Formats: sequence, structure tokens, C-alpha cells
Amino acid sequence: NAGVMQNPRHLVRRRGQEARLRCSPMKGHSHVYWYRQLPEEGLKFMVYLQKENIIDESGMPKERFSAEFPKEGPSILRIQQVVRGDSAAYFCASSLSGGNSPLHFGNGTRLTVT
Amino acid sequence: EDQVTQSPEALRLQEGESSSLNCSYTVSGLRGLFWYRQDPGKGPEFLFTLYSAGEEKEKERLKATLTKKESFLHITAPKPEDSATYLCAVQVRDDKIIFGKGTRLHILP
Repeated sequence: NAGVMQNPRHLVRRRGQEARLRCSPMKGHSHVYWYRQLPEEGLKFMVYLQKENIIDESGMPKERFSAEFPKEGPSILRIQQVVRGDSAAYFCASSLSGGNSPLHFGNGTRLTVT
Repeated sequence: EDQVTQSPEALRLQEGESSSLNCSYTVSGLRGLFWYRQDPGKGPEFLFTLYSAGEEKEKERLKATLTKKESFLHITAPKPEDSATYLCAVQVRDDKIIFGKGTRLHILP
């Protein structure tokens, strides 16, 4: 009974490179959320997607960041031209139906920008 | 603006010493309130969902309650393995879910 799978667990990028973070939701879940977490900070909402649709991207920076959740395959969070300030843990969560359904989280991708 | 505030930021208790964590919220159109537990290096683990004022949920040494303005997570006779960060989250319009900064709980043996 696989949970939410995120890969890679750790990602190191030099400034200016691209980072691609992948998230496979739990089986049967069609709603995906992405959050960012800094040390001793809470989870900051970035984006909420359903299959092939972005529902709410109000927490995502307008530039360099994008997210998708295609009909087939994992959800991808893409960060172009990374800067040191992008270093953080990025968590993905999925839910069964969105409305009032609890989120199930992966163990995150820790991005370090050197 | 929707906001979730948790207090205290950190709490140290002796094993067996009961206490409560607070989560206050100002949101438009609350659809549900969630409590999660997060261990270092891991993703948050779901504990409870509360939907309406007056509702209570229990699991082992944990009990969550909800009023119109806040929620409490009561910990009865905690053990060292209860040490973790406890996160509160609210679900608002359009199913957006926002989190508080959490309470770091440390139970001393």
C-alpha cells in the first residue's frame, strides 16, 4: 500500500540550474498539493492541482516556478534558474477528493542550492 | 487574509505531565481543521480532522477539540515518543489548506 512517493530525497543544484521535483500521489488520489518548509518554519502553501488543472497557485512565486500534474505520470514542481534562497524542503501531499479529505504527505525533497 | 497561529512555539514537559497546544484561526469559510504530527526528516502524519464547533476526536493520549475561533490538542500523560512537532491546518474556500508554524513538543523521561 504505497504512500506518497517523492524523489529525489536530496537534490543539490548550482545557482542558475534547474530543479525538478517529482511526486507520485497515493493510488486513487487525484488532488496534489505542494508545500515549502524552511527550518523551524511551518509549511507554506505553494500550489494545489488536480489532474491536468491548476486550481490554486497563489502561493507560488510568479517567476521561475511552475507545477504540473499530467493525466499520466507524477506531479512535477519545476524551479528554473535556482538561487540560494530556494534551498528548502519541498513536500508534496495528495488527497482523495479535496473537499474535507485529509492530506497524505511524502517525506519531501531537500533542495540545496550551492 | 486567512491566518493560522499556533502557541506555544515550543513546549518541554516531564513524562506524565499533561498539557494543551493551541491553534487559533481567522479564516473565511472554514471547511475543516486538521492536526498533524511531524518527526524530524519526515513528512507530516495525519492525526485528526474536525469539522464543526463542539466536535472532539481522541487517539491514544491525544484529544483534539474545536471552537469557533480555535482548536486545542490535549496531551494526557505524555511519553518521550510523543516528542515531535504538532501542526495545525485549516481548509478554506476552494479546498486550499494552510498551516500554522507548529508547536515543537519535547517530553523529558
